[in-house]
Amino acid sequence: SQQGEEDPQALSIQEGENATMNCSYKTSINNLQWYRQNSGRGLVHLILIRSNEREKHSGRLRVTLDTSKKSSSLLITASRAADTASYFCATVSSGTYKYIFGTGTRLKVLA
Amino acid sequence: DADVTQTPRNRITKTGKRIMLECSQTKGHDRMYWYRQDPGLGLRLIYYSFDVKDINKGEISDGYSVSRQAQAKFSLSLESAIPNQTALYFCATSDELTGDEQYFGPGTRLTVT
Repeated sequence: SQQGEEDPQALSIQEGENATMNCSYKTSINNLQWYRQNSGRGLVHLILIRSNEREKHSGRLRVTLDTSKKSSSLLITASRAADTASYFCATVSSGTYKYIFGTGTRLKVLA
Repeated sequence: DADVTQTPRNRITKTGKRIMLECSQTKGHDRMYWYRQDPGLGLRLIYYSFDVKDINKGEISDGYSVSRQAQAKFSLSLESAIPNQTALYFCATSDELTGDEQYFGPGTRLTVT
């Protein structure tokens, strides 16, 4: 079964607005990663946050991690039409290097 | 040139046929993975390998086998394809020294009729 579950499943916003998507997971993790997938293509790594970190920034991306709630959020600020894609969280469990992907959030940014 | 390549990119095959999907990487990574993606779903791990002599089953290995011929090559075989193996298949690599991020190939779209 999938460890990561993203919420919402789909999100539609206007260009310039912020987009927030959430990920919940079930077991202890070493790190959590966010990936982006354009339609039918390979995933591209966006950002990694380790279990001892609470927040991380990269350009217009902000990721938070709450290990007590086993949840993470990805915020994309000032969204652009080019941000339209599916976004997946992936967890790497403590003691293994198996990546467990969530079901994804489909983001549509309207110009 | 792409760091992770997959061949073929598209394949249509019939039920019961044996098919091999190939993955090559030029990143020098030790770890390689095979995933499948079904419409509307995330990726599910089929097999993974941490070096040439290491093969591990993932979440959904039944009906699949793999071979790690070299550090740079990791192939996935469907011994007797069935329609519910119709999916998008991705190969990925990672390396502990570069921080665990995975690098994905472009995918192989497989249809079993």
